Amino acid sequence: NAGVTQTPKFRILKIGQSMTLQCAQDMNHNYMYWYRQDPGMGLKLIYYSVGAGITDKGEVPNGYNVSRSTTEDFPLRLELAAPSQTSVYFCASSYGGSGTEAFFGQGTRLTVV
Amino acid sequence: AQTVTQSQPEMSVQEAETVTLSCTYDTSESNYYLFWYKQPPSRQMILVIRQEAYKQQNATENRFSVNFQKAAKSFSLKISDSQLGDTAMYFCAFMKSQGLKYIFGTGTRLKVLA
Repeated sequence: NAGVTQTPKFRILKIGQSMTLQCAQDMNHNYMYWYRQDPGMGLKLIYYSVGAGITDKGEVPNGYNVSRSTTEDFPLRLELAAPSQTSVYFCASSYGGSGTEAFFGQGTRLTVV
Repeated sequence: AQTVTQSQPEMSVQEAETVTLSCTYDTSESNYYLFWYKQPPSRQMILVIRQEAYKQQNATENRFSVNFQKAAKSFSLKISDSQLGDTAMYFCAFMKSQGLKYIFGTGTRLKVLA
């Protein structure tokens, strides 16, 4: 049972480069989320999706883009990486949204230099 | 807007002892859900326990229990008989009823000492 799979686990980017963080879940969950975790700041929501073709901004969407073409996949795109995007990124999914458990991936540690 | 506050950045406890992690939240909603998630050194977060606000009975999962005080907007986590494997970052989270988003606190790093 794979659950939520994120790739890569680690990445170093140079300022101005772009990359896509991959997230896939095999639980047929409708809801998917991208969070970033900064030391002492908890988890901040970047984007979320309630189903294929539907996405919406969270608290900190600037500098990121997402798409949801299938139920399984929810990639996060970073355009023109900046040092402020150095963080650990988590993808999560849940079955029904309200009150249901979120399942998390193992995270991607991204460093922008 | 809802907020979640965890005022203890770090705590430690001796193995087999009991420890309580604090969480307070602010909301004008009457119905909502509260969660405690554990993030071990492997980084993957897992659900520890969940509480529905309309249920007065405190949730319990084996050695983990909560003290939910709705009027005080407090949701503390008690870990009994602490084990070395409980060493982790613990996050308190809030979701309003019919909501879509989890709102997380800043976390408490717990270290269980042998």
